[in-house]
Amino acid sequence: QVQLQESGPGLVKPSQTLSLTCSVSGDSISSDSYYWSWIRQPAGKGLEWIGRAYSSGSTNYNSSLKSRVTISVDRSKNQFSLKLSSVTAADTAVYYCARDRGQWLGNYYYYYKDVWGKGTTVTVSS
Amino acid sequence: QSVLTQPPSASGTPGQRVTISCSGSSSNIGSNIVNWYQQFPGTAPKLLIFINNQRPSGVPDRFSGSRSGASASLAISGLQSEDEADYYCASWDDSLNGVVFGGGTKLTVL
Repeated sequence: QVQLQESGPGLVKPSQTLSLTCSVSGDSISSDSYYWSWIRQPAGKGLEWIGRAYSSGSTNYNSSLKSRVTISVDRSKNQFSLKLSSVTAADTAVYYCARDRGQWLGNYYYYYKDVWGKGTTVTVSS
Repeated sequence: QSVLTQPPSASGTPGQRVTISCSGSSSNIGSNIVNWYQQFPGTAPKLLIFINNQRPSGVPDRFSGSRSGASASLAISGLQSEDEADYYCASWDDSLNGVVFGGGTKLTVL
């Protein structure tokens, strides 16, 4: 049974870099057909996709966050990470990591988030 | 402002059938699949429907999804009190080159 667990500081100062790690158990992060994603949710608001990374290192980012985001995969530790620079209070949210499973359909792979971590709350405050 | 548009709320009585809409455009739902997620307060979202109308193992067949043109719908039949939750649609957007979510619909069972 695949499990994902987020970890990292719960409090980050404005202008600093938010760093979170998602540890994967029960499966190899190097497996084919998976992307590894980060999603966040401000209190009382909806879900916002941050970005995703493939085990090879290729990435896709939310265009509104792209200049500040880095998602990377560490195959040796079976984990992936999120770095968000120059944070402000607007970055305060619950941060989730998730596995994107791919399914071949016609001529394309289509992805859906089939496993989620429990989430970790990050507050940006001085 | 979310790229995908959902009604902020929906409601129904036990046993009723409720539908939640998700409206997009040609760059997302119109050309890509739709997934639906269910979220209870204080917990992580859970995959409910994938690739428009597929149910993961363990999801009751009371839940069904459909997609037509640039819109999608989630239907819940035989509504139960435990279905009270937030529901989110999601799709890939070719113009933004990323995943887009709907703003979420809070379902209340009266």
